[in-house]
Amino acid sequence: EAGVTQFPSHSVIEKGQTVTLRCDPISGHDNLYWYRRVMGKEIKFLLHFVKESKQDESGMPNNRFLAERTGGTYSTLKVQPAELEDSGVYFCASSQSPGTYTDTQYFGPGTRLTVL
Amino acid sequence: AQSVTQPDIHITVSEGASLELRCNYSYGATPYLFWYVQSPGQGLQLLLKYFSGDTLVQGIKGFEAEFKRSQSSFNLRKPSVHWSDAAEYFCAVGALSSSARQLTFGSGTQLTVLP
Repeated sequence: EAGVTQFPSHSVIEKGQTVTLRCDPISGHDNLYWYRRVMGKEIKFLLHFVKESKQDESGMPNNRFLAERTGGTYSTLKVQPAELEDSGVYFCASSQSPGTYTDTQYFGPGTRLTVL
Repeated sequence: AQSVTQPDIHITVSEGASLELRCNYSYGATPYLFWYVQSPGQGLQLLLKYFSGDTLVQGIKGFEAEFKRSQSSFNLRKPSVHWSDAAEYFCAVGALSSSARQLTFGSGTQLTVLP
């Protein structure tokens, strides 16, 4: 069974540009999460999808970040326009059962974003 | 609000030595606790988790962790470290709520293993 995949693995962009990160969860997983680790600090939650609906977006830093999950499969996270402080590693995770809040979150390898 | 503290940013041990990585949490109720490991170029891999029951939890790769409610701790241990254990280790606490499922992570402990 394929794990969580993320694309691209690395992205280097100029300040003010737009970047779109993609996450493909494990097949059949209804829950999809985005997290971010900035400057070697702790990994922080951004948002949580259940299928195509945003269940919790309390961690989104500002309106420059837009997450979508059309059709309840893969998800994209767009940063527009990117700022220097957006640099970091963006992780995606998925888990199986929306009715069981103890299910395990499986993480992808992350996308390293560098904003110059 | 929940929080996790990993007091050790970097630990160095010799191969074959024992290992203990510290984790303290702050949470208003019974926590749901995890240890994840990230090797270079890899995603976060779950080592073990605690939800309820036996406070000593066995995980993969020979790791174990003990939940101590009185100390608000969930320390990770391994009796004999292998060179392949060199990685970054993260402790996390999960919210026990169907509406708030996110994990709160500590800042990580980087483990170096000397030959």
